Amino acid sequence: DAKTTQPTSMDCAEGRAANLPCNHSTISGNEYVYWYRQIHSQGPQYIIHGLKNNETNEMASLIITEDRKSSTLILPHATLRDTAVYYCIVPAGSSNTGKLIFGQGTTLQVKP
Amino acid sequence: DGGITQSPKYLFRKEGQNVTLSCEQNLNHDAMYWYRQDPGQGLRLIYYSQIVNDFQKGDIAEGYSVSREKKESFPLTVTSAQKNPTAFYLCASLGQGHNEQFFGPGTRLTVL
Repeated sequence: DAKTTQPTSMDCAEGRAANLPCNHSTISGNEYVYWYRQIHSQGPQYIIHGLKNNETNEMASLIITEDRKSSTLILPHATLRDTAVYYCIVPAGSSNTGKLIFGQGTTLQVKP
Repeated sequence: DGGITQSPKYLFRKEGQNVTLSCEQNLNHDAMYWYRQDPGQGLRLIYYSQIVNDFQKGDIAEGYSVSREKKESFPLTVTSAQKNPTAFYLCASLGQGHNEQFFGPGTRLTVL
């Protein structure tokens, strides 16, 4: 699996956009970028994924750079309930096992 | 509602005892996964199964065993050989043609 690098922690004011970066410089051409989040003491929750085009759903937007070596997850209007650990994951493209490798992620603290 | 259930939420056992954690899904997903999470860390893969009656070791399988006799169920046994079993255990499933894993609420195991 491609290695990902994320900041350990970030703060965001409630109502503002939260921009969470991820570096994945060794990503292969057929590997997707996935984002999950984990609220304290709960199971992780899928947020969004993408290959090379920017993606948006009801939860977030995913911006992937043209060289695909980094991406940014955007929560457009962060709420206190968005406080969680956010994981950026790049599963091995040649594998169809679905295995995910979780790093330590970014702890996002949304403050009032 | 479709989903993944894990029971119990909290489990206490004495050192040296085997314990089995339950994971059931009614999503008709083929693949199921067991992860372990230690405080402040990401998830680590213990075992996974892509089809009934078949399973593979993950990154930290020593001291654990699984079975997959039914599509809906993937129980994990933490044996006395697991040297540090106290952790948060998460089960997940993945449907064919889907991209995201669905996680259960987790079981927090404490070995006294």
